[in-house]
Amino acid sequence: DIQVTQSPSSLLASLGERVTITCQTSQSISNNLNWYQQKPGQAPMLLIYYATSLQTGVPSRFSGQFSGRSFTLTITSLEPEDIANYFCLQHYSAPQTFGGGTKLELK
Amino acid sequence: QVQLTESGPGLVHPSETLSLTCTVSGFSLTGYSVYWVRQPSGKGLEWMGRMRYNGDTSYNSALKSRLSISRDTSKNQVFLKMNSLQTDDTGTYYCTRGGMGGDYWGQGVMVTVSS
Repeated sequence: DIQVTQSPSSLLASLGERVTITCQTSQSISNNLNWYQQKPGQAPMLLIYYATSLQTGVPSRFSGQFSGRSFTLTITSLEPEDIANYFCLQHYSAPQTFGGGTKLELK
Repeated sequence: QVQLTESGPGLVHPSETLSLTCTVSGFSLTGYSVYWVRQPSGKGLEWMGRMRYNGDTSYNSALKSRLSISRDTSKNQVFLKMNSLQTDDTGTYYCTRGGMGGDYWGQGVMVTVSS
């Protein structure tokens, strides 16, 4: 199975701050990685698919990049509604595997 | 509007079988795959298996011996059955639509395995 290592596991940030979360995969997956946001009691919401494509309706302050086996999710200017858990998912090969998640909190 | 809704018993006794239903709307099961994902309590997300759009199934090898996924396209439902449940199977179970690797998720159903 492909291992996905996500960092950091938790993050304190201020409103307006730039936030970056990283996922590293154990082998090459091309661009087959998605990013999700999950708030307590809610379904996960797709933010970024195929590493760099912004899902319809997602604010443009969210972006994804990748280089080799390293993938990043960036929030350019943190808004209050961005406080949530974030996780990545590789869908290059079955079984799909997930990053361990990042809990984003306000400083 | 795409929706997925998981349903099933909140409590299952050890060694019994878990039966969950994912009811979908806004898309066809013959056009999209549906995946099952779970999050055992205190642990990370785990992909369990999938019902492909063409009716084929595949399973996580770690669960394959206990797991079965099926569907009823006329009712827009996908079913999960997992036997020999133990306490470490306690957690939240989700179904997701397989578009773009998983574009829509249900809210999840909490399952507790306890005597």
